[in-house]
Amino acid sequence: DAGVIQSPRHEVTEMGQEVTLRCKPISGHDYLFWYRQTMMRGLELLIYFNNNVPIDDSGMPEDRFSAKMPNASFSTLKIQPSEPRDSAVYFCASSLRLGQGAPEQYFGPGTRLTVT
Amino acid sequence: AQTVTQSQPEMSVQEAETVTLSCTYDTSENNYYLFWYKQPPSRQMILVIRQEAYKQQNATENRFSVNFQKAAKSFSLKISDSQLGDTAMYFCAFMKQTSYDKVIFGPGTSLSVIP
Repeated sequence: DAGVIQSPRHEVTEMGQEVTLRCKPISGHDYLFWYRQTMMRGLELLIYFNNNVPIDDSGMPEDRFSAKMPNASFSTLKIQPSEPRDSAVYFCASSLRLGQGAPEQYFGPGTRLTVT
Repeated sequence: AQTVTQSQPEMSVQEAETVTLSCTYDTSENNYYLFWYKQPPSRQMILVIRQEAYKQQNATENRFSVNFQKAAKSFSLKISDSQLGDTAMYFCAFMKQTSYDKVIFGPGTSLSVIP
């Protein structure tokens, strides 16, 4: 398997523009997570899905952020309008829950977003 | 709410030596999972080792082992025979077992292996 795929790897945009980040999870995985990583706040969970259904979006910073998972193989994180404080690395991760063992999250390479 | 603390923001170790990274957590749960993830300069997050709280035996993966002290809520990572490729940020993480819940990550420890 190719692992979790994210696109784009880098995104530079101007304040006020719409940004869409994309993620393709590992085939067969039933959980998908979106994280944001900054120096100041570390790694934060934004939202996660189970079987394409959003379970917990309490980490989404504000209404400018939205996430969708229209099918098991694709998810998007959208920021509209973007602001300089949204600059960060955004990670997508997926996992498969099997039995009682500790589940591993497989991370994508991340998208480095810069908002000027 | 669960919290994860890593009290060592930065550490360094000589190549081939042993180093221990500390992690403590706070929870009222009895059943949970603990993890150590590694993030090298390439920024790819990789699972290093994991531990189920119901298991008394400490997990081991090659040169990596943990010291899990449930009563003390401590979960340290020991890296033996350190290699240059071990240079990375290391994140301790917690997840409740009762329901598949979000993973809570610590702030990380930056480890540098010195040749």
